[in-house]
Amino acid sequence: TQLLEQSPQFLSIQEGENLTVYCNSSSVFSSLQWYRQEPGEGPVLLVTVVTGGEVKKLKRLTFQFGDARKDSSLHITAAQPGDTGLYLCAGANDYKLSFGAGTTVTVRA
Amino acid sequence: DSGVTQTPKHLITATGQRVTLRCSPRSGDLSVYWYQQSLDQGLQFLIQYYNGEERAKGNILERFSAQQFPDLHSELNLSSLELGDSALYFCASSLRHWPSSTDTQYFGPGTRLTVL
Repeated sequence: TQLLEQSPQFLSIQEGENLTVYCNSSSVFSSLQWYRQEPGEGPVLLVTVVTGGEVKKLKRLTFQFGDARKDSSLHITAAQPGDTGLYLCAGANDYKLSFGAGTTVTVRA
Repeated sequence: DSGVTQTPKHLITATGQRVTLRCSPRSGDLSVYWYQQSLDQGLQFLIQYYNGEERAKGNILERFSAQQFPDLHSELNLSSLELGDSALYFCASSLRHWPSSTDTQYFGPGTRLTVL
């Protein structure tokens, strides 16, 4: 059983559309991170959110941390084929990172 | 390129065997983390070392062990291998004894282990 539940598991959209990935847990985390992983490579950190209610923007990506620090979302505006990849959320507690199962995003040209 | 190197990239072995995976952290990073990624379990934290000492343990089996050497490189030893141990094994490094909101884990490219 995953400590962090991500939804949806798979997402396939057309270039230019928007998408949102959700990451939910019953646990409170000291911080939450989002990673993107491409085939044959290790995960690459996109953002770390620390404060409940925090919103961070990274170009077309918007990350939100829930007020209770249990959940987060990743929103991509006007998706591009280069956004294709596996998106992973990870919660930090007790010097450990717990990862969600990931959302595979495919952006069709 | 994250600056973290892992060898070998691929490893094929038989059940019951023992293998060693190697990781060199980014220059200056003191912490090394090992993760296992499989299709059914996702990315699972195994163990962390900071400056040569074990600092945190996750879902690491007793058949697995790790160490961090004085030059800060780390090795993950997997013994009595089973079919279910087939997975991607990632090493990550960070500057400090994580977690810190300003610290980042940098992941290596991984070692793909196949147990036949």
